[in-house]
Amino acid sequence: DGGITQSPKYLFRKEGQNVTLSCEQNLNHDAMYWYRQDPGQGLRLIYYSQIVNDFQKGDIAEGYSVSREKKESFPLTVTSAQKNPTAFYLCATRGQPNTGELFFGEGSRLTVL
Amino acid sequence: QKEVEQNSGPLSVPEGAIASLNCTYSDRGSQSFFWYRQYSGKSPELIMFIYSNGDKEDGRFTAQLNKASQYVSLLIRDSQPSDSATYLCAVNAGGGNKLTFGTGTQLKVEL
Repeated sequence: DGGITQSPKYLFRKEGQNVTLSCEQNLNHDAMYWYRQDPGQGLRLIYYSQIVNDFQKGDIAEGYSVSREKKESFPLTVTSAQKNPTAFYLCATRGQPNTGELFFGEGSRLTVL
Repeated sequence: QKEVEQNSGPLSVPEGAIASLNCTYSDRGSQSFFWYRQYSGKSPELIMFIYSNGDKEDGRFTAQLNKASQYVSLLIRDSQPSDSATYLCAVNAGGGNKLTFGTGTQLKVEL
């Protein structure tokens, strides 16, 4: 199946622990994105990557880190420095730069206890 | 001023009516505009995109863009209960490679 796979779908962690969310795509898209969504809120951009081995901070990058070692993969690490990590995390890809739509994975819901 | 603004709603319309959702944006350099539908607990899915001033129709959906006034709207004709969702407006602000989202408008279609 073509698409974007995020895992895990649900994740519970204790405060102070780092967690890594996986995002894998087989759409052959160059650009990949991580967004965060809080209840009743829109999507806020955390990090994005336009090509392998390159990525840029979004609007709320503090407390997060990413890597882009392969075109297909763009994992997000939520570090202990993120003050309020409980949220719904969405990974997306974009086929056409500057004009194309975003394609979303099913999301990962992180709850920090 | 937020980059992309939407009324959070909820917007309630009776079944069969026209639902009108509005979005304003601040960056005049924005080139592309998207409407996404998001059901509770799910990821957003694309409904419409529009690049040029005017109207664009796709089935029951019409997107309207007015760059001079910096607004984009989505009309849903013959609204169905299955249209009940949150609608997110997204803008390619500054023509770059990022999409900026509004906070979304919750639509409720009542029987």
